[in-house]
Amino acid sequence: AQRVTQPEKLLSVFKGAPVELKCNYSYSGSPELFWYVQYSRQRLQLLLRHISRESIKGFTADLNKGETSFHLKKPFAQEEDSAMYYCALRRQGGSEKLVFGKGTKLTVNP
Amino acid sequence: ETGVTQSPTHLIKTRGQQVTLRCSSQSGHNTVSWYQQALGQGPQFIFQYYREEENGRGNFPPRFSGLQFPNYSSELNVNALELDDSALYLCASSPRLAIVHNEQFFGPGTRLTVL
Repeated sequence: AQRVTQPEKLLSVFKGAPVELKCNYSYSGSPELFWYVQYSRQRLQLLLRHISRESIKGFTADLNKGETSFHLKKPFAQEEDSAMYYCALRRQGGSEKLVFGKGTKLTVNP
Repeated sequence: ETGVTQSPTHLIKTRGQQVTLRCSSQSGHNTVSWYQQALGQGPQFIFQYYREEENGRGNFPPRFSGLQFPNYSSELNVNALELDDSALYLCASSPRLAIVHNEQFFGPGTRLTVL
C-alpha cells in the first residue's frame, strides 16, 4: 500500500532555529518524493522534489531509502516559512496520482 | 501564461443533490487531476484525465465522475451528495503525460459544503 506519514501535525520554532519536518513513506517500488507548501491564502505549490536534489528557499530534503524517509530541513528558519507543508509521493516516472500526507503546520515565531 | 483556475470558489448544497465543479488547466497543459481535501487531511486523488479520457482513478465511488473537454478544461460531477463530501476540491494540471518528472500545478480549489 502507498502511504505517506507526517507524524507532526503542528511544529513551532523560533526564527533562526533549525527546523525539520518529518516524512516517512510506505511504497513497494521506486517512488518519487515531493514536498508541497501552502502559504496562507495561497494555492498549493511544489517546494522541492528528491529527483532534483536542489535547495529551494534554504530547504533541503534527502531521500533515505533504508529508513523510507524524506525529511525536510532548513538550518535557519524565517518567519516567512510559516505555512502548511505536505509530503507526497508517486510512482517514479509516472504522471498519475500523488499520494499526500496529512500535512504539518509550521509556525516560525519572531 | 494563465494558471489553473477553478469555479465556483464556494458553494453550499444539501444531501442528495448533484454538483458540478469546473477547472481550466494552465496554458499548454493537457492533463488534469482532481483531488479531495477534507478538513485536516492531505489532498486525496479522485481521478485524472488525459486528452479527454480517464487515466487513473482513486478510491472514490462511481457517483464521482468527470469530463475533460477538447480545450483540456475539466469538470468534476458528484451525484447524490453526502455530508462527508464536504471538502475542498482541488484541480491540478500538468503538461504532456509522457514527460517524466511532470509537475502538477494546483488551482485555488472549490470549497463544497453539504448540509
